[in-house]
Amino acid sequence: DTGVSQNPRHKITKRGQNVTFRCDPISEHNRLYWYRQTLGQGPEFLTYFQNEAQLEKSRLLSDRFSAERPKGSFSTLEIQRTEQGDSAMYLCASSRTQENTEAFFGQGTRLTVV
Amino acid sequence: AQSVAQPEDQVNVAEGNPLTVKCTYSVSGNPYLFWYVQYPNRGLQFLLKYITGDNLVKGSYGFEAEFNKSQTSFHLKKPSALVSDSALYFCAVRRGGATNKLIFGTGTLLAVQP
Repeated sequence: DTGVSQNPRHKITKRGQNVTFRCDPISEHNRLYWYRQTLGQGPEFLTYFQNEAQLEKSRLLSDRFSAERPKGSFSTLEIQRTEQGDSAMYLCASSRTQENTEAFFGQGTRLTVV
Repeated sequence: AQSVAQPEDQVNVAEGNPLTVKCTYSVSGNPYLFWYVQYPNRGLQFLLKYITGDNLVKGSYGFEAEFNKSQTSFHLKKPSALVSDSALYFCAVRRGGATNKLIFGTGTLLAVQP
């Protein structure tokens, strides 16, 4: 399968714990994005990488959130001191560098904070 | 600021009938417009895009969409609905040349009755 892969698919954690999600993009894609989707809403942009450089961050990305893409391949999204409001589906997407290309999404990681 | 409106939370259509899912957008500059579909427990799947050129764009699974600049709309259409088309549909916009983040609408649930 050459699509975007996200792990884990589901994560249940206690409030205050740290969690980390992983995204493996399509191999030839230089751009990688993280979005968050809550029930009844469309995905909301969190951050974007071109290769290893984090080029854009949303104001939604509080200081408890950090994302990395150290070698320009896979990416991790860490949430520290989780809160119940962090419960959501976290989606990763990747695309080619050309501006007119579409992004391809993974199946997401569903986070539940109890 | 960029925004997308999907005025209908749900669209009901009988199998074999034409369907339309509405989308209007607001963006400064040239819009790049996209439709994605989301099946239960699945990620977002790309359907089609408008970047430039012909206002009528054709995509996957027999879907098409018409870009109307004067009405700032990008409605999704299909001549004959299938029960298997039942899913959640998202319209998204990106401002060409300025940013890579997608702004999504809140989604429209399409229900096709047999």
